Amino acid sequence: EPEVTQTPSHQVTQMGQEVILRCVPISNHLYFYWYRQILGQKVEFLVSFYNNEISEKSEIFDDQFSVERPDGSNFTLKIRSTKLEDSAMYFCASSVGREDIQYFGAGTRLSVL
Amino acid sequence: GIQVEQSPPDLILQEGANSTLRCNFSDSVNNLQWFHQNPWGQLINLFYIPSGTKQNGRLSATTVATERYSLLYISSSQTTDSGVYFCAVSDRGSTLGRLYFGRGTQLTVWP
Repeated sequence: EPEVTQTPSHQVTQMGQEVILRCVPISNHLYFYWYRQILGQKVEFLVSFYNNEISEKSEIFDDQFSVERPDGSNFTLKIRSTKLEDSAMYFCASSVGREDIQYFGAGTRLSVL
Repeated sequence: GIQVEQSPPDLILQEGANSTLRCNFSDSVNNLQWFHQNPWGQLINLFYIPSGTKQNGRLSATTVATERYSLLYISSSQTTDSGVYFCAVSDRGSTLGRLYFGRGTQLTVWP
């Protein structure tokens, strides 16, 4: 069964450093998402992406965050200058259509020291 | 945005017991998904069920969209069912189907 792939599985970084989290969505999917989950809390929406542009973003997704689909297969989330409170599990998801099932990757656990 | 409430927050069962998890939502939805988060943090899709009833082995789910709730049934529970169960919905006002998650039900199954 096709799956969403995320790398790395765990990223440790120093506060103030830039990180790029990578995702390879399912190949025929058109809608892409990033979510995050702070330890012990619920999963929160960050951003949705369609047709090479951001469709919707939450209040969490401030100027420190950006997304890109650089080559037609990868979908990346960049955090420009990480803060301690960015430590969380970040999930990428994709779907065929706007109202269809979203498939989630296994997540990247980001630890900011 | 749409509010999603899950109950109970915690559930402790003996192996072999049955359970019902509930998800209430505050508005009409286009999408409703149930997930199981395993001990490694992965979100495993259980059901895509904006309406109706589905079954998959020992698990089944029912969504009554007109009354704004969904139920997840686990029968003959096993220790491997332990973990957090999340309900997530997208509302009809959402541009691209962003999912709103509930706080989850932490299920612990003892042998």
